[in-house]
Amino acid sequence: EAQVTQNPRYLITVTGKKLTVTCSQNMNHEYMSWYRQDPGLGLRQIYYSMNVEVTDKGDVPEGYKVSRKEKRNFPLILESPSPNQTSLYFCASSLGTFSNQPQHFGDGTRLSIL
Amino acid sequence: DAKTTQPNSMESNEEEPVHLPCNHSTISGTDYIHWYRQLPSQGPEYVIHGLTSNVNNRMASLAIAEDRKSSTLILHRATLRDAAVYYCILRGSGGSNYKLTFGKGTLLTVNP
Repeated sequence: EAQVTQNPRYLITVTGKKLTVTCSQNMNHEYMSWYRQDPGLGLRQIYYSMNVEVTDKGDVPEGYKVSRKEKRNFPLILESPSPNQTSLYFCASSLGTFSNQPQHFGDGTRLSIL
Repeated sequence: DAKTTQPNSMESNEEEPVHLPCNHSTISGTDYIHWYRQLPSQGPEYVIHGLTSNVNNRMASLAIAEDRKSSTLILHRATLRDAAVYYCILRGSGGSNYKLTFGKGTLLTVNP
């Protein structure tokens, strides 16, 4: 089954403790992206990657890192998490970057930073 | 970014058609119109997209105005499982233009 898989689905942690949220897709998609969703603010893009070793900042990249060493994986790294990064995170992928290609989303990761 | 305007909420009865409107008066000639929906506790789900002509798929139909400044997502027979937030989004191509910019969307309530 074609899917985008995120892990973990839920995580409660403390300020400053490094964490990684993994994202994997099995559709051989070139484009991958991370969003965060907050009440009243909607979904906002954090980082995106147009292919292996090609990443760029989205609208809210501060406090996050990403890497794209393999086509299928696009982990989101919080080196020193802070409470304002408590949010619902979604990973998405699409075949390429043409505007007629849909994005496929994972089921989300709910992070709570205490 | 080209913006879209949608009603905050709409209500429908089960098995009746639903027409969800979207205004996008600043759309550029190369922007595609995409619709996504987000069911409670799930990630956004692609519904349909179009450029100029009306489009149909197994989930819905998309009617695009001739001047492309508005569009309507049509659910032909609403079910309880269609209750979700529906987002109308304009997509450009390449790099930063390719991101999905989600507005507040329309919260669709379906009554049994």
